[in-house]
Amino acid sequence: KNQVEQSPQSLIILEGKNCTLQCNYTVSPFSNLRWYKQDTGRGPVSLTIMTFSENTKSNGRYTATLDADTKQSSLHITASQLSDSASYICVVFGTGGFKTIFGAGTRLFVKA
Amino acid sequence: DAGVIQSPRHEVTEMGQEVTLRCKPISGHDYLFWYRQTMMRGLELLIYFNNNVPIDDSGMPEDRFSAKMPNASFSTLKIQPSEPRDSAVYFCASRVQLDTEAFFGQGTRLTVV
Repeated sequence: KNQVEQSPQSLIILEGKNCTLQCNYTVSPFSNLRWYKQDTGRGPVSLTIMTFSENTKSNGRYTATLDADTKQSSLHITASQLSDSASYICVVFGTGGFKTIFGAGTRLFVKA
Repeated sequence: DAGVIQSPRHEVTEMGQEVTLRCKPISGHDYLFWYRQTMMRGLELLIYFNNNVPIDDSGMPEDRFSAKMPNASFSTLKIQPSEPRDSAVYFCASRVQLDTEAFFGQGTRLTVV
């Protein structure tokens, strides 16, 4: 069964600290993996997209990693800011037609 | 471009009523997607269109749900009759191609009482 599991479900950190969010998937065959940020009351916004051959990709303070062998991805946030408080959703795209599997998301709270 | 535009932002309706959600995709995007998001199930793909043609509607939960795209700049998602379990946030998104970034609208928060 194609699944995407994210951990932790929620996370509270202090402003300025780093954090890492995890995404494990069983989607096969695999096309690409994306991380989205969703602020409260808004639609998701794409942070990164990673294909099978990519291991690391950065977007400002956000760095995503992908290990296609172990089917794991992580999103590392450096020097967190209050505006990083949001839900972070991992989405895995399969091949052979449009197969999209969403993770349940990690709810991040950054405290001053 | 103003991005993907959805209306209304909020809708409260009584069980049994017809609800129509609207979406204007980004100009030039050939793909349009309707998603539903709930606390219990997260984001779910309902249906997507390519060049105004429905390609995959396997995510549509029941016959009460229908979606149309009469032209490249407009799509509707209709629920008739609505039920309390349809309460969710419905997102519309558009893409240039299937493998490119999805741009989401602000969503329509539907509450069926």
